[in-house]
Amino acid sequence: EPEVTQTPSHQVTQMGQEVILRCVPISNHLYFYWYRQILGQKVEFLVSFYNNEISEKSEIFDDQFSVERPDGSNFTLKIRSTKLEDSAMYFCASNRDTAGAYEQYFGPGTRLTVT
Amino acid sequence: GDSVTQMEGPVTLSEEAFLTINCTYTATGYPSLFWYVQYPGEGLQLLLKATKADDKGSNKGFEATYRKETTSFHLEKGSVQVSDSAVYFCALSDGDNNAGNMLTFGGGTRLMVKP
Repeated sequence: EPEVTQTPSHQVTQMGQEVILRCVPISNHLYFYWYRQILGQKVEFLVSFYNNEISEKSEIFDDQFSVERPDGSNFTLKIRSTKLEDSAMYFCASNRDTAGAYEQYFGPGTRLTVT
Repeated sequence: GDSVTQMEGPVTLSEEAFLTINCTYTATGYPSLFWYVQYPGEGLQLLLKATKADDKGSNKGFEATYRKETTSFHLEKGSVQVSDSAVYFCALSDGDNNAGNMLTFGGGTRLMVKP
């Protein structure tokens, strides 16, 4: 069964460094998402991406964040200058462009630790 | 804005016990409702969904009914198994019934089932 994959599973970085989190969505999916979960808190929406552009973003997704689909298979989240409060589990998700087929398939997550 | 509230865990049950995890929501539109499950070390998986009032979603013995009058979508299972131990997330998707809508999650409820 096809699945969403994410790398790395755990990333440790120092405050102020740039990080890139990688995701490979399911191959015939057209909508892509990033969510995050700070330890002990809710899963929060960051951004959705369709047709090579951002379709929706939350207030969390400020200028420090960017997303890209560089090669037709990967979907990346970049944090330009990490802060301590960016420490969280980051989930990638994808789904198809079919009316009613709005089930989002999630990857296993990348745990980001900013020290 | 939209929000989802679910009972805090952990919920600890013995095998074959009856499970209820409460979920209520606030939404401006007419949302679709979901339960996602996260097993240890894995991503979020869709457990069940309902798209309109009085719909009942069901899967793997779990059920939830979309109650518009009480804005609730409580998860139930008649007889839990040790393998049901996981974190359960209630979520909604508001807006048009298409593939690109963001999910709003509750805080998650950890279920532990003892043999």
